[in-house]
Amino acid sequence: DVKVTQSSRYLVKRTGEKVFLECVQDMDHENMFWYRQDPGLGLRLIYFSYDVKMKEKGDIPEGYSVSREKKERFSLILESASTNQTSMYLCASSFRGPNTGELFFGEGSRLTVL
Amino acid sequence: AQTVTQSQPEMSVQEAETVTLSCTYDTSESDYYLFWYKQPPSRQMILVIRQEAYKQQNATENRFSVNFQKAAKSFSLKISDSQLGDAAMYFCAYRSYLRYSGGGADGLTFGKGTHLIIQP
Repeated sequence: DVKVTQSSRYLVKRTGEKVFLECVQDMDHENMFWYRQDPGLGLRLIYFSYDVKMKEKGDIPEGYSVSREKKERFSLILESASTNQTSMYLCASSFRGPNTGELFFGEGSRLTVL
Repeated sequence: AQTVTQSQPEMSVQEAETVTLSCTYDTSESDYYLFWYKQPPSRQMILVIRQEAYKQQNATENRFSVNFQKAAKSFSLKISDSQLGDAAMYFCAYRSYLRYSGGGADGLTFGKGTHLIIQP
């Protein structure tokens, strides 16, 4: 069965802390994505990666960075967390190339920054 | 850039009745995919139905069907015989091709979502 696993369902951090959100997929997908979900705003793309060590900015990359050292793992990093980064973070993955473009999602990580 | 608009923040329907969720999109592309995703209270997004823009026939999946109007850039979701388990956030999404210097990656542009309530 398809599986995207996010390491933490709930996190509480303090302003200025460095935060790591981890995501692992077991489907051998080339593409991985980090979205942010806020009420009334839907899902907004932060970063995506199409290959190991490759990354591209999405619509709202400011304040975030990512790391993809292995194909199955994609990490989102908040270098210095701020209260406006309190949100639900969703990781997703997909195959690359001509396909239906379906994304497979993890359960989400709810981050609260105090 | 493509945009996806869901004009109904919340919808309510009686169990066993039919409900239609609206979605419009804006694009200059002629070939693309459209999706409806469901996000139950457990938060994991799952695919409900997909539609290829080059296909004139509307997609159906059991109780779920779409009304795809390409010229109008409209993509509504109809849920027949609504069940309590259908209660969720529903997101309309457009498949965009995100370009980079060496190739591309497939990503989705999402609407803001419609919260569907099922009344017992």
